Amino acid sequence: AQSVTQPDIHITVSEGASLELRCNYSYGATPYLFWYVQSPGQGLQLLLKYFSGDTLVQGIKGFEAEFKRSQSSFNLRKPSVHWSDAAEYFCAVVIYNNNDMRFGAGTRLTVKP
Amino acid sequence: GAVVSQHPSRVICKSGTSVKIECRSLDFQATTMFWYRQFPKQSLMLMATSNEGSKATYEQGVEKDKFLINHASLTLSTLTVTSAHPEDSSFYICSGARQANYNEQFFGPGTRLTVL
Repeated sequence: AQSVTQPDIHITVSEGASLELRCNYSYGATPYLFWYVQSPGQGLQLLLKYFSGDTLVQGIKGFEAEFKRSQSSFNLRKPSVHWSDAAEYFCAVVIYNNNDMRFGAGTRLTVKP
Repeated sequence: GAVVSQHPSRVICKSGTSVKIECRSLDFQATTMFWYRQFPKQSLMLMATSNEGSKATYEQGVEKDKFLINHASLTLSTLTVTSAHPEDSSFYICSGARQANYNEQFFGPGTRLTVL
């Protein structure tokens, strides 16, 4: 079945530490890939997206993600986490021109002082 | 660019009443708009897809008579929760897709509905 998987429900990191949030997808075709962040009670903010080209994508707030076709993954990374990064992170995919966005279950990030 | 607004941001209503939520694309034309529902600590679930001037397409399990969607213009879609009940309490998020590019959606800030 087609799906988007975020294996980690909750991650805790210390401020200043590096971060990697995992996302895997299961679709026949290469999808368009997105990472969103959501603070409590707020809407979604786009961090970055991958459509084609360079598989290492730079986003806002110091985030980056790498598309690995062989692993069907699009993991989100940040070299040094700030306390303000504590939020819920969602990976999402759209199949080309299918106009149908599917979300992973989300990963909640807690940042320790 | 590509800003989407929602109104109201929060609404509290009594059980049995109807509530209308507006979704507007402020600086682009949204040929297609989407409505999502998000329960606490859960992901977004697509409820329906609406194209301007057409009837909405509902996801399996979503009651179309309960969640009325109107997409009368390229900048406005409305979701009306009819005869709301406490189990309809949720966070509702809309998004819009530009006519030229259906592969990216722009999300509104969400509406928190609480039904007493």
